[in-house]
Amino acid sequence: AQSVTQLDSQVPVFEEAPVELRCNYSSSVSVYLFWYVQYPNQGLQLLLKYLSGSTLVKGINGFEAEFNKSQTSFHLRKPSVHISDTAEYFCAVTRRDSSYKLIFGSGTRLLVRP
Amino acid sequence: EPEVTQTPSHQVTQMGQEVILRCVPISNHLYFYWYRQILGQKVEFLVSFYNNEISEKSEIFDDQFSVERPDGSNFTLKIRSTKLEDSAMYFCASSEAGLAGNLDEQYFGPGTRLTVT
Repeated sequence: AQSVTQLDSQVPVFEEAPVELRCNYSSSVSVYLFWYVQYPNQGLQLLLKYLSGSTLVKGINGFEAEFNKSQTSFHLRKPSVHISDTAEYFCAVTRRDSSYKLIFGSGTRLLVRP
Repeated sequence: EPEVTQTPSHQVTQMGQEVILRCVPISNHLYFYWYRQILGQKVEFLVSFYNNEISEKSEIFDDQFSVERPDGSNFTLKIRSTKLEDSAMYFCASSEAGLAGNLDEQYFGPGTRLTVT
């Protein structure tokens, strides 16, 4: 079975500071990896995904993530955050050999302060 | 930009009652999903649906749950006899393709908050 761990339930950061949201996963088979963002009262929106190839993936809104197979991690980073980045961020995986069923982490609330 | 819509945004029901949560997926999408998030917990997969049948379901999706695509646009989740523990946010999602060999992004709706009293 697959599982996803997001160790930080909340990350406060000042505007224009860099941020890293951590994600570790566990799986006995190969997986695809995703980051989703949820703004208040909205659905989940895909930020970026890792399917194969380059381990550094760039997404929308200036976010990027790096897949590290040896550490089974897929941390999300942004060099300079904005107030509008305040939201809940979810890391997710899906098996490569099954239907596209997402398994989510518990989420990290990013709180950007002025 | 096309989007997935869900109605109602909030549903309050009494224990034992039947509820139907409605979703309108993006029009050219073929794969449909339901997820739920109990307050303070993870988003959990419930069921996936393709070609008018369930392609995969989780342990949560027991006989009290059913899904249907009654017409060309709606995708519904029915809970036959609600329990207190069914209180959660329910998310619908759709994708153009769904199998691992032809992966595509899932687009999520804003969710329906179900409160069972």
